[in-house]
Amino acid sequence: GAGVSQSPSNKVTEKGKDVELRCDPISGHTALYWYRQSLGQGLEFLIYFQGNSAPDKSGLPSDRFSAERTGGSVSTLTIQRTQQEDSAVYLCASSGGRGREDTDTQYFGPGTRLTVL
Amino acid sequence: RKEVEQDPGPFNVPEGATVAFNCTYSNSASQSFFWYRQDCRKEPKLLMSVYSSGNEDGRFTAQLNRASQYISLLIRDSKLSDSATYLCVVNKAGGYNKLIFGAGTRLAVHP
Repeated sequence: GAGVSQSPSNKVTEKGKDVELRCDPISGHTALYWYRQSLGQGLEFLIYFQGNSAPDKSGLPSDRFSAERTGGSVSTLTIQRTQQEDSAVYLCASSGGRGREDTDTQYFGPGTRLTVL
Repeated sequence: RKEVEQDPGPFNVPEGATVAFNCTYSNSASQSFFWYRQDCRKEPKLLMSVYSSGNEDGRFTAQLNRASQYISLLIRDSKLSDSATYLCVVNKAGGYNKLIFGAGTRLAVHP
């Protein structure tokens, strides 16, 4: 079946502009995560959505970052007034199914490579 | 101290070699442990879950030592296709499935 998809795959923007990154999770998955990975670094947790519960926004680096998940499915990560340090690969993952392992395993999308000039 | 720490690597090994990666975690209440693999410029993919005292899948063996808060990954008979970054991942206990990723260990297998 279809995996997690993200768009765009690459985004180049100028400093100060706003960007929107989209994530389509695996159908039926209840949990959705956003991560950021800078060059040569590990994954940095940004935000987590689970069903209709309030999201865990504890990883968002500043108030320029926000995310929404509409209808429990598609999610959009918005970065306002982008800065050069926002340049990274933004990865989305989803999880949640039947059985323990299915619930724990996070399946990642291919990521959006953001470059802020 | 980082929540999940790994050998930074890189590990450069010949084909056929056995290589071991180590990982330590700081939260003693963590319950779930994983190894993910990430190829260059690709997304991470689950390699193995480690739920109890260890897990084996073909050439790959993962072990967990809860007392020492230590996880290892052993790769036997390395293949060129094993070249990748291996991420140690730990569930952040308390609430939901929030995963904490180590920075990864890079492996390069050469002919």
